[in-house]
Amino acid sequence: AQSVTQPDIHITVSEGASLELRCNYSYGATPYLFWYVQSPGQGLQLLLKYFSGDTLVQGIKGFEAEFKRSQSSFNLRKPSVHWSDAAEYFCAQSGGSNYKLTFGKGTLLTVNP
Amino acid sequence: EPEVTQTPSHQVTQMGQEVILRCVPISNHLYFYWYRQILGQKVEFLVSFYNNEISEKSEIFDDQFSVERPDGSNFTLKIRSTKLEDSAMYFCASSPGANYGYTFGSGTRLTVV
Repeated sequence: AQSVTQPDIHITVSEGASLELRCNYSYGATPYLFWYVQSPGQGLQLLLKYFSGDTLVQGIKGFEAEFKRSQSSFNLRKPSVHWSDAAEYFCAQSGGSNYKLTFGKGTLLTVNP
Repeated sequence: EPEVTQTPSHQVTQMGQEVILRCVPISNHLYFYWYRQILGQKVEFLVSFYNNEISEKSEIFDDQFSVERPDGSNFTLKIRSTKLEDSAMYFCASSPGANYGYTFGSGTRLTVV
């Protein structure tokens, strides 16, 4: 069965600092990988996705993620965090004929002024 | 930008009552999904729907749950006899296919009392 692991439940960074959120996936074939962001009480907004090609993908709001097959990882990065980035971040993968998503448990990001 | 619309945003119901959660997917999308998120937990897949039938469902999606696409635009999730543990945020999503990712609605918060 597919699984997605986000090892960090909660991360706190200072505004302006760099950020890396970790994600490990498990899927035999080439996975489709996603990062979503959820602000309190809100829905899920797609930040970026990887299907194939260039392993460094750019997303919205200045985020990027790098697919590393050798490490089964798809870590999310941002060079300089803004206070508005405080939210919960979910990594997800899909595979198989129905393209259903399997989510990680999420990482809650707190940004200190 | 096209959106997935969910109504209502919040529904309170008594245990044992039937509820119908409504979704209007993006019009040219072919795959439809329901996910749920119990407070503080990860987002879980419930069911996928393609070509007017269920293509996959999770263990959570038991006989109490059903989905319909009654008129070619709406996509509904019915819970026949709600239980306290059905309290969660329910997300609808749609996708045009494998390489396009998903668009999620903003969710319906269901509270069973």
